[in-house]
Amino acid sequence: DTAVSQTPKYLVTQMGNDKSIKCEQNLGHDTMYWYKQDSKKFLKIMFSYNNKELIINETVPNRFSPKSPDKAHLNLHINSLELGDSAVYFCASSFTGGGYGYTFGSGTRLTVV
Amino acid sequence: GESVGLHLPTLSVQEGDNSIINCAYSNSASDYFIWYKQESGKGPQFIIDIRSNMDKRQGQRVTVLLNKTVKHLSLQIAATQPGDSAVYFCAENHNQGGKLIFGQGTELSVKP
Repeated sequence: DTAVSQTPKYLVTQMGNDKSIKCEQNLGHDTMYWYKQDSKKFLKIMFSYNNKELIINETVPNRFSPKSPDKAHLNLHINSLELGDSAVYFCASSFTGGGYGYTFGSGTRLTVV
Repeated sequence: GESVGLHLPTLSVQEGDNSIINCAYSNSASDYFIWYKQESGKGPQFIIDIRSNMDKRQGQRVTVLLNKTVKHLSLQIAATQPGDSAVYFCAENHNQGGKLIFGQGTELSVKP
């Protein structure tokens, strides 16, 4: 199936731990994104990468470090997790500039305890 | 600040009725708008989009209207069905590296 797939779907961890979320797309897109959805369902962009190059960094704490080994993958590593990091994180992909075909993954629910 | 908002947080309609979900956007330079549907436990799913050079676009049972004068977007769902129950988001493309600005979302509930 053509899709944006991210793992894991659920992640429960203790404060202070370091965790990673992986994302892969097989849609042939050249731009990938991370969005965060808070408890009120508000979606906000965190990062975008175009052909492995960081394009957008929305003043996200530097505990969050995206890594794009190739244009089909964008992983998110989070250091020293805090309670406030609990949210649903969505990976997305598109062609350059966004536009038609902007596709989201199914999300990773991160719970920090 | 950046926002695409103005919404009814919840909308309840009778099965078979038409639904209208509204959205206001803030950036008059935005040239592309998308409506997404998000079901519980899933990611946002594309419904329909519209470019700023259009006023109306129709899909299967859905219509998006764009009023650039008042920066308003609406999604109309015809003959609403129980499977339409979800949270609906409008999003605008700021042409900044593909960044989408999302509205707060409207939760649509369909009563049988």
